[in-house]
Amino acid sequence: AQTVTQSQPEMSVQEAETVTLSCTYDTSESDYYLFWYKQPPSRQMILVIRQEAYKQQNATENRFSVNFQKAAKSFSLKISDSQLGDAAMYFCAYRSAFVNRNQFYFGTGTSLTVIP
Amino acid sequence: DAGVIQSPRHEVTEMGQEVTLRCKPISGHNSLFWYRQTMMRGLELLIYFNNNVPIDDSGMPEDRFSAKMPNASFSTLKIQPSEPRDSAVYFCASSPSPGGGAQYFGPGTRLLVL
Repeated sequence: AQTVTQSQPEMSVQEAETVTLSCTYDTSESDYYLFWYKQPPSRQMILVIRQEAYKQQNATENRFSVNFQKAAKSFSLKISDSQLGDAAMYFCAYRSAFVNRNQFYFGTGTSLTVIP
Repeated sequence: DAGVIQSPRHEVTEMGQEVTLRCKPISGHNSLFWYRQTMMRGLELLIYFNNNVPIDDSGMPEDRFSAKMPNASFSTLKIQPSEPRDSAVYFCASSPSPGGGAQYFGPGTRLLVL
């Protein structure tokens, strides 16, 4: 089975600064999708960004961008100009591109604190 | 667009009682997932369905848990009898199929079993 590892249980960042959250995964598949989800104190899981493994270009959504290194099986999330509302738990997730392998694999999460 | 809808949002019950959690996925999504989240165990996949058919229920902790999806717009997760260790936040999520689509989560049901 695929595994997703987030080695940073907690991170902190000064407001307006940049922070990078790490994620690595293990798979033998060549085609898959990677995601970052945000879970604020409200507990709602919110999709932040998605990356398709066959695309070399890193995905970007406003202040959120990823650094996808397929050979290294690394998928980090960069948050620029951090805001207080970015404080949350962040989960990295993997999904196979095979239609019969629908399951998502989640990391254990990184808790991000934003310091005013 | 309405997102994934879960009910109830909060449930407090006594040990031994039956609990039923409900989920309405996003219209047009063919895959539905049930998760449980606790501080100790994190986010756990309990079961998922493709086109209303259960595909993998290996995460269901024991026979006290059961899930159904009678049609494309409704699913239930039932715990009978409930125990204090079942206290958790239960999420339902849906995803378009075939593969590649993101999962979209409901707001969760906070279950407390006394």
